[in-house]
Amino acid sequence: NAGVTQTPKFRILKIGQSMTLQCAQDMNHNYMYWYRQDPGMGLKLIYYSVGAGITDKGEVPNGYNVSRSTTEDFPLRLELAAPSQTSVYFCASSYTSGTYYEQYFGPGTRLTVT
Amino acid sequence: DQQVKQNSPSLSVQEGRISILNCDYTNSMFDYFLWYKKYPAEGPTFLISISSIKDKNEDGRFTVFLNKSAKHLSLHIVPSQPGDSAVYFCAAIDGNQFYFGTGTSLTVIP
Repeated sequence: NAGVTQTPKFRILKIGQSMTLQCAQDMNHNYMYWYRQDPGMGLKLIYYSVGAGITDKGEVPNGYNVSRSTTEDFPLRLELAAPSQTSVYFCASSYTSGTYYEQYFGPGTRLTVT
Repeated sequence: DQQVKQNSPSLSVQEGRISILNCDYTNSMFDYFLWYKKYPAEGPTFLISISSIKDKNEDGRFTVFLNKSAKHLSLHIVPSQPGDSAVYFCAAIDGNQFYFGTGTSLTVIP
């Protein structure tokens, strides 16, 4: 099992450009999440999905969009990139049933917007 | 508004001694708590969790304590090992929403 994979690992964007951060998991997890981590801060939830076709906003959704067409993939779209979106982005997945909430994280994508 | 707080940015302990990492929260609706460990340039990895109906959960060298009246949880690592040096995040769950603390960087000195 590869677990949770994220591409790219690094990216530099110019202000106003768009990009998609890719996330895939091969553990057949139903839940998937996108977080961002700013320097010296904890992780902030951007969006999450409880299954294919279902997504919902987290704590900091503005400036982002997601889709979940399959169980395996959960891409994060940035439209009109802004310097405030400079961060490290983590994707995670979990099999949530009852009280089992353990999340598996990908290695992260470091994004710089200049 | 930080609902989960880790007020100690860093902690250093001697190898073999106990490491105690603390976490405070403000939302009484949190029903599940987790600790994660993170090495540089990697994603966090799950360490241990506790339901709000319990006050202690133990897994090997790691024990998490929950004091709901004080809205406080702690992670004890005994004995501490150099490989435990990492950033530790506590997290809390309200429904499907996860809230993370800002992390405590633990250094275990050989």
